[in-house]
Amino acid sequence: LAKTTQPISMDSYEGQEVNITCSHNNIATNDYITWYQQFPSQGPRFIIQGYKTKVTNEVASLFIPADRKSSTLSLPRVSLSDTAVYYCLVAPDGGATNKLIFGTGTLLAVQP
Amino acid sequence: DTAVSQTPKYLVTQMGNDKSIKCEQNLGHDTMYWYKQDSKKFLKIMFSYNNKELIINETVPNRFSPKSPDKAHLNLHINSLELGDSAVYFCASSQEGGTRGAYGYTFGSGTRLTVV
Repeated sequence: LAKTTQPISMDSYEGQEVNITCSHNNIATNDYITWYQQFPSQGPRFIIQGYKTKVTNEVASLFIPADRKSSTLSLPRVSLSDTAVYYCLVAPDGGATNKLIFGTGTLLAVQP
Repeated sequence: DTAVSQTPKYLVTQMGNDKSIKCEQNLGHDTMYWYKQDSKKFLKIMFSYNNKELIINETVPNRFSPKSPDKAHLNLHINSLELGDSAVYFCASSQEGGTRGAYGYTFGSGTRLTVV
């Protein structure tokens, strides 16, 4: 499974747009890029997934360049409640045999 | 209604004791997992079960024994607890064939185990 690298932490203020970039230089052709969010004392929660180009849902946008060696999670107009750890994962289809690898994640701290 | 529920939420116990953590999912998923999150916040898979069959068994000490009585339940029993077992243990589930990459996994809220 491809290894990912992301900043350990980021700071932002309420109302700002936050972009978190993840590097995955060894991504394989059949890997998908997925982002999870984890609040303190909770399990990770799915945010968004993409394979290439751009994906947008009600929570975030995911930008993936053509070479797919990196991806950027974009959170529009963050609020205090967006303070959490954000994990970038790359993994192929695998179901029960999938050993998801969570890296260090990025701790996003949103201030008023 | 909680999708993946774990009990207990907190567990404090002495070294050498035996303890169990229970997990139940009401999503109808047929695959369940145990993950361990250490003090540095790394999440690592320990076990996965598909329809009560053990699929993944990572290099986990054999003091850890998972048990799946049915596909909605996956329990974790730990013998002879050690200080290094202190961590947060997460149960998760997914639907075989319903996952794509890392999509489709639902995690519980975790069990914080402290061994003193």
